[in-house]
Amino acid sequence: AQSVTQLDSQVPVFEEAPVELRCNYSSSVSVYLFWYVQYPNQGLQLLLKYLSGSTLVKGINGFEAEFNKSQTSFHLRKPSVHISDTAEYFCAVSGSGGSNYKLTFGKGTLLTVNP
Amino acid sequence: GAVVSQHPSWVICKSGTSVKIECRSLDFQATTMFWYRQFPKQSLMLMATSNEGSKATYEQGVEKDKFLINHASLTLSTLTVTSAHPEDSSFYICSARKSGRFSEQYFGPGTRLTVT
Repeated sequence: AQSVTQLDSQVPVFEEAPVELRCNYSSSVSVYLFWYVQYPNQGLQLLLKYLSGSTLVKGINGFEAEFNKSQTSFHLRKPSVHISDTAEYFCAVSGSGGSNYKLTFGKGTLLTVNP
Repeated sequence: GAVVSQHPSWVICKSGTSVKIECRSLDFQATTMFWYRQFPKQSLMLMATSNEGSKATYEQGVEKDKFLINHASLTLSTLTVTSAHPEDSSFYICSARKSGRFSEQYFGPGTRLTVT
């Protein structure tokens, strides 16, 4: 079984400031890691994913995340945010082996970018 | 590519009635589809996993007789909420996945269900 902890439920920042959204996971097996963004009343859009290889993963809209196995973390970062980045962000994990493709989500972090 | 649609986008129904939500993969074949439920300002909770042509696998605590899932083809899955009650009001989101180990889930836009 896996679990995901998003340490911050809300993160307010000013436009053009850097931001980091924190995610820690727990799993007894190897994992795949994902970050999704959700705009109000919409479904989820994949920002980036870690499957294997380089621990620094670059995604869409200028976001990146780094997989740290020893700290069981997968924090999301962006060097300069825009008003349009205001949304809910979800970290998710799935098992990497067999047929276990189910995603376990964190509770989400609301990123609010202020002018 | 990899677009998933849901219909309807929102629905209001009376308590005791049933409502069907459709999830379609528009440009790929989805061997597996997932149904999630999301309460306001909360995370997504997986309800069930369905594979084309077989019965859905429900998560613990989800009533399979209340939430009927049919994955009739490689592009269509339906969720029917039977005898709906106000506590079933929620945002229902489906996702679809192609075959293959590294294939990701593609999410639909969600359906807002309000039971009065």
